[in-house]
Order: sequence, then structure tokens, then C-alpha cells
Amino acid sequence: EVQVVQSGAEVRKPGESLKISCKTSGYDFTKSWIGWGRQMSGKGLELMGIIYPGDSDTRYAPSFEGQVTISVDRSIRTAYLNWNSLKASDSGMYYCMKLVVRGGRTRYLEHWGQGTLVTVSS
Amino acid sequence: YVLTQPPSVSVAPGQTATITCAGDNIGSRSVHWYQQKPGQAPLLVIYDDSDRPSGVPERFSGSNAWDTATLTITRVEAGDEADFYCQIWESAGDHWLFGAGTKLTVL
Repeated sequence: EVQVVQSGAEVRKPGESLKISCKTSGYDFTKSWIGWGRQMSGKGLELMGIIYPGDSDTRYAPSFEGQVTISVDRSIRTAYLNWNSLKASDSGMYYCMKLVVRGGRTRYLEHWGQGTLVTVSS
Repeated sequence: YVLTQPPSVSVAPGQTATITCAGDNIGSRSVHWYQQKPGQAPLLVIYDDSDRPSGVPERFSGSNAWDTATLTITRVEAGDEADFYCQIWESAGDHWLFGAGTKLTVL
């Protein structure tokens, strides 16, 4: 059974750094893309970026390029989402997802973590 | 490219709910649907227009043609109440696009 388990809720002040995590099990970690998405309160879904754990190939959505860093630790099957300097506007729910990527035709979000609530407030 | 969903759909228990996702020639793309119940993470309910992941009830089905993709839920139950999002992937530019979501209310 595929499992995607995220780290717990976080509260930070503007300007602080933060790294949240996503531990996976039940499949070959190195052979499936992992993505991070954001959902702000009462709003829709946005995909921030994706990473291929096999070679750490990472791609960011234009809105998030330079704002966050996605990484993995293959030894513990864990993906990370990192901020160097948080802003109040980074507050929201963040989801980790296991992707299905099928050639040049289709991509979707097959398994989701439970979400990590990030609150940035002074 | 924009995916347009109705903000809300209401249906009585036992009836059929139809949620649409409109986009220019969306029928040429693969459409995926997610259900998000209050306070929960989204769940994939339909992929590649009409395929159902294991564990998703047969009451959920999908279709996609021309400019509209459709998620159909038959014999709606109170537990189906949720927000539903459609999603496509555009190979040109490697863009992931989501609809704004449709709130399904079971009367």
C-alpha cells in the first residue's frame, strides 16, 4: 500500500526559514515523481513543483521558481519543501503528492499526503 | 488555457450529479478529477477522462469530448458532499492546470 505521510503543522515568523517533509512507502521511491502543492485558505489547488527522486531532476511552476526549494533524501524515502525566508503570504496548506507521469500524454496526482498547515505571522 | 467549472452544484440524495469542466478543445487532453471533503486532502476519483482508481465507487464516472469534460456521480449520497477539481497537464510548457473547483451540495 502506498503511503505519503507529511510532517506536522508549523508556525513561523516572517523572515524565518522552514523545511517540511514527506515520507513515502509502498512503492519504488526512485521511480515516481513527487510533487508539492499549495492550497490557500478557501482557495483552489496549485502545483508548486515536482522532483524525480531517481536523479533529483526538479521543475518549478513559474510562480514558485526561486521562492522555494524541493529536494529528496533517497536513503529515507523522503521529500522536502524548503523556504529560506517566509512571508505572511506563504501561509496555507501544503500537500505532497506521488505523481503518475506517462510519457508526453498524461500526468496526474495519484496519492496525496494529509497536508501540512504552515502559518506565518508576526 | 483556462478550465472553467461551475462554482456549485446541488442535488438531492439518490439523484445524479453532473459536474462539468470546460476548456478549449479539452477533449484532446486527458482530464483528471479530485474530490476534496471538508478538512481532508484531495483524493483522485477519475483519471485519464474515465478511469477509476481502485476503491472509488462505480457511481463515479467521467467523460470528455469536444470542449467539455464531465464528472458524473449517480445515486448521490450525503457522504459525497465535497469540492471537486478537474486537472489537465499541458505538454507545451509543462503546465499543470486546475479548475477553480465545484462545491457539491447534497440537499
